[in-house]
Amino acid sequence: AQTVTQSQPEMSVQEAETVTLSCTYDTSESNYYLFWYKQPPSRQMILVIRQEAYKQQNATENRFSVNFQKAAKSFSLKISDSQLGDTAMYFCAFMENSGGSNYKLTFGKGTLLTVNP
Amino acid sequence: DGGITQSPKYLFRKEGQNVTLSCEQNLNHDAMYWYRQDPGQGLRLIYYSQIVNDFQKGDIAEGYSVSREKKESFPLTVTSAQKNPTAFYLCASSPSGPGSEKLFFGSGTQLSVL
Repeated sequence: AQTVTQSQPEMSVQEAETVTLSCTYDTSESNYYLFWYKQPPSRQMILVIRQEAYKQQNATENRFSVNFQKAAKSFSLKISDSQLGDTAMYFCAFMENSGGSNYKLTFGKGTLLTVNP
Repeated sequence: DGGITQSPKYLFRKEGQNVTLSCEQNLNHDAMYWYRQDPGQGLRLIYYSQIVNDFQKGDIAEGYSVSREKKESFPLTVTSAQKNPTAFYLCASSPSGPGSEKLFFGSGTQLSVL
């Protein structure tokens, strides 16, 4: 069974600075997806960024980027130029890539990020 | 606007009562999911359906039931057998084929026990 571990329950950062959120996972699969989801106080789950395991290049989405280390089973999220609107719970998640029959996301317990003015 | 609608936003259950949470999507997605979120926990999968009239149990299906009579709708019933139902419930959907790994979430239902 896959497991996802987020070792930082809470973090804080000053506005405009950079912060990195950690995530490790355990799987015997070789083909899978990794995700970072954001859950602001509204509790809506918002996809931040997605990485396919077979791609060595790290995914980026504007101010958000990942450091994907497949051998180490590590998937950290870097937020650059932090904004007050980035304050949220961030979840790392894993999905096995079964070729179009994907169905199950396994989530970590989350990291609460607070951006201070 | 295309999206996923969950209702109600807040729901209260009395002891021994069954309650049903609604989830409707107009994204024409084949797959739909129900997740439960407890404080300090990540989301856990309750049930999922990849096609109309078919659904499978997730990791924590005991005390819950679902139906998938229409592509757009995937209601979740929390039965009296679920002894600890207080949680935040999220419905999601995804397309089949390319892009199926991208789940779209509703805004959730908070269920509390009176």
